[in-house]
Amino acid sequence: EAGVAQSPRYKIIEKRQSVAFWCNPISGHATLYWYQQILGQGPKLLIQFQNNGVVDDSQLPKDRFSAERLKGVDSTLKIQPAKLEDSAVYLCASSLDGGESEQFFGPGTRLTVL
Amino acid sequence: GDSVTQMEGPVTLSEEAFLTINCTYTATGYPSLFWYVQYPGEGLQLLLKATKADDKGSNKGFEATYRKETTSFHLEKGSVQVSDSAVYFCALSGSFVFNKFYFGSGTKLNVKP
Repeated sequence: EAGVAQSPRYKIIEKRQSVAFWCNPISGHATLYWYQQILGQGPKLLIQFQNNGVVDDSQLPKDRFSAERLKGVDSTLKIQPAKLEDSAVYLCASSLDGGESEQFFGPGTRLTVL
Repeated sequence: GDSVTQMEGPVTLSEEAFLTINCTYTATGYPSLFWYVQYPGEGLQLLLKATKADDKGSNKGFEATYRKETTSFHLEKGSVQVSDSAVYFCALSGSFVFNKFYFGSGTKLNVKP
């Protein structure tokens, strides 16, 4: 069974530029999560989708971050414009149906903002 | 709001030593509790979980018991191996239908031969 795929694996940009990350969850998983993990900290949930609807985006900085999950499968997370403090690893995870279901994580995208 | 607090690392142990990584939580209702592990160069993966008070989760020799009276979910292993070197994250899932996950800050474990 294929795992959660993410791309790119690494990205370096300058502040005020834009960047997009892509995630392909495990087939059949209804719930998709985007997390931000700053070095030395635990993952922080940015947004949670159930199929193609947003369940929670309370910690997403909506003035610069946006995310979509078209057709309830793949998802993209965008940052525009990026700030220095956005440097982090962006993790995508999926689970069968949210709640207590096990989350399966992708390898992450390491973003460096200069 | 809901939160998880875990002991700071790094924790350095010799092989075959006993391991405890403390985790306490704050939550309304009846959350589910998890331990996730991140081995060097790999993604996060579920280690064990417990969904109600007094439940014990176990996997790969690791155990954790859901203690509601002390709001704790400490991770233990009787005899660690070098291969257990990793970062361990305690996590909490809220008690409502669309649960939100909260992760602790992680504890790095180094096991020396």
